[in-house]
This record gives sequence, structure tokens and C-alpha cells, in this order.
Amino acid sequence: DVKVTQSSRYLVKRTGEKVFLECVQDMDHENMFWYRQDPGLGLRLIYFSYDVKMKEKGDIPEGYSVSREKKERFSLILESASTNQTSMYLCASRRPGTSYEQYFGPGTRLTVT
Amino acid sequence: LAKTTQPISMDSYEGQEVNITCSHNNIATNDYITWYQQFPSQGPRFIIQGYKTKVTNEVASLFIPADRKSSTLSLPRVSLSDTAVYYCLVVGDDKIIFGKGTRLHILP
Repeated sequence: DVKVTQSSRYLVKRTGEKVFLECVQDMDHENMFWYRQDPGLGLRLIYFSYDVKMKEKGDIPEGYSVSREKKERFSLILESASTNQTSMYLCASRRPGTSYEQYFGPGTRLTVT
Repeated sequence: LAKTTQPISMDSYEGQEVNITCSHNNIATNDYITWYQQFPSQGPRFIIQGYKTKVTNEVASLFIPADRKSSTLSLPRVSLSDTAVYYCLVVGDDKIIFGKGTRLHILP
């Protein structure tokens, strides 16, 4: 059974802290994605990675960075957390090919105080 | 840039067929349309993908007209457990455009 796991379900951080959100997939997928989900706005793409050590900006990359040192792991980094980054963060993976099916993790609800 | 528009919410009754339409006027030639379902406190789950005409799987059907500027997800004989948010996406090799989702509420 395919699986995408995220390091925490709930996280509370203070403004200005550096925050790491980790995502691991066990499907040997090349592509990985980070989204944030906010009420009324749906899912918005932050960053994605086609393969190891590759990264591409999504629609809202400001205030975030990412790291993909190993194929199975994709990290989202908030360099200096701010209250407007309070959100649900979702990670997904996909095997490139004829299907665009993405497999999502359960999400991390981050609160920045 | 392709943008998707779908109704914010819909209500239906158990046993009914539900159709959710999404518009994507600026879809590009190589783009596909996919739909996801999301329950509270879970990540979205893939339902179906299509390029044109009709696609059917064990869960749903997807209807895409010739101009591909819209698509309709059809859920046959819904049950209470189909209450969820449904997202329409336009996807290509270098893009993923999520809609804001349709909150479907199934009533007994």
C-alpha cells in the first residue's frame, strides 16, 4: 500500500523560528510537492521537485524553501516563521508518466504564534 | 494561466446521482483534468483523470466536452460517506492548478 508520511500532525511555533516540515514517501516516486491549504482558498502549490536535488517554485514560494537530498524525502523550510504562515501543509508524491495521480500525506497543521 | 472554477457547495440526497461541473476556459492542449476527494483531517485522494470525452472507473465518471473548457464529475447513487470536498485540477507537465473545491453534503 502506498504511503506518504509527514513528520507531525500538529505543530506550534513562535514567530521568527525556523521550522522544518518533513515528508517521506515509500513508493520510489520521482516527483514530490508541498501545498498549503487555507479555508476558502483550496490548495496552493508552494514548491515541487522533479527528482533528487531538483526544485521548482510553485505559485506561492515566498517565505519558504525546500530540500531534496534523497529521493524519498522532501523537506519544507520556513526560514523565519510568521503568523500568516499558519496553515495546513500537505505533501504529495507522484510517479511521472501517463497518470497525474498524486498521493497525499495526512497533513501538518502548523500554528505560528 | 489555466484557472478552474467550481461551485462552492452542493447538497444532495442518498441514492441520487450527483454531477459537479468545473470550468477551465484556458486549458492547454497537453493538459489533463483530474478530480480529488478530501475528507476532514485527511489529504486529498485521487478519483479520476481524463483528457476528452468520457472516462469511467469503479467510483465515478468524468465527462469532458469536445472544447475541453469544462468537465463534469458524476457520482452515481451517492451515500452519506460521499460527503466531502471535491477538487477539480488542471494538470500538465509543468503545472498543477487546483480549484477551490466543492463541498458536497449528502442528506439522508
